[in-house]
Amino acid sequence: QITLRESGPTLVKPTQTLTLTCTFSGFSLYSSPVGVGWIRQPPGKALEWLAVIYWDDDKRYSPSLRSRLTITKDTSRNQVVLTVTNMDPVDTATYYCARRPNYYDTSGTFDYWGQGARVTVS
Amino acid sequence: SSELSQDPDVSVALGQTVRITCQGDSLRSYYASWYQQKPGQAPVLVISDKNNRPSGISDRFSGSSSGNTASLTITGAQADDEADYYCISRDSSGNNSPFGGGTKLTVL
Repeated sequence: QITLRESGPTLVKPTQTLTLTCTFSGFSLYSSPVGVGWIRQPPGKALEWLAVIYWDDDKRYSPSLRSRLTITKDTSRNQVVLTVTNMDPVDTATYYCARRPNYYDTSGTFDYWGQGARVTVS
Repeated sequence: SSELSQDPDVSVALGQTVRITCQGDSLRSYYASWYQQKPGQAPVLVISDKNNRPSGISDRFSGSSSGNTASLTITGAQADDEADYYCISRDSSGNNSPFGGGTKLTVL
């Protein structure tokens, strides 16, 4: 059974750095060609892809947020961490982590998702 | 604005068929996947890589693609299908994974 769970602060102040952890089970980032990504959703708005990291440590970032994002993995602990610097109230959102089953797929699919972590910037 | 465009609102009569579309230049090279999201819940994958249904997803959901447009078709719409639907694909570089702006489906 594949599960993912996001954890981190629910409230951050403007200009602070947000650190979110995704802890997963049922698969491993030792296995090619798996990845784990982050997606966020402001209240009442659309999903926005943020970043993804793959089994081989290849990393991809949203071009619009690249300068503020860092994604890392701890493969032995089945964890992926996302940091977002210089937080602003517009970054208030639910942050999801999700599994990308195949680096090579043609549609960028994320198949299993966590329940999301709600983060407020105020 | 999103690289992938979706109609914000679509409605369908109960039991009828509805098509939700996703447009973007990158769709000439890549397929789309589709998610269903109900209020307060995480998105659920309903179609991947053009027309693959994950286990447990009704065969009333199907995907297709033509030119710069990907489509999600729901046949025999049910009240439980009322939700937001999002497409995702690769951008033209293949490195990034934008979502469409989402379509709110209302079942009348």
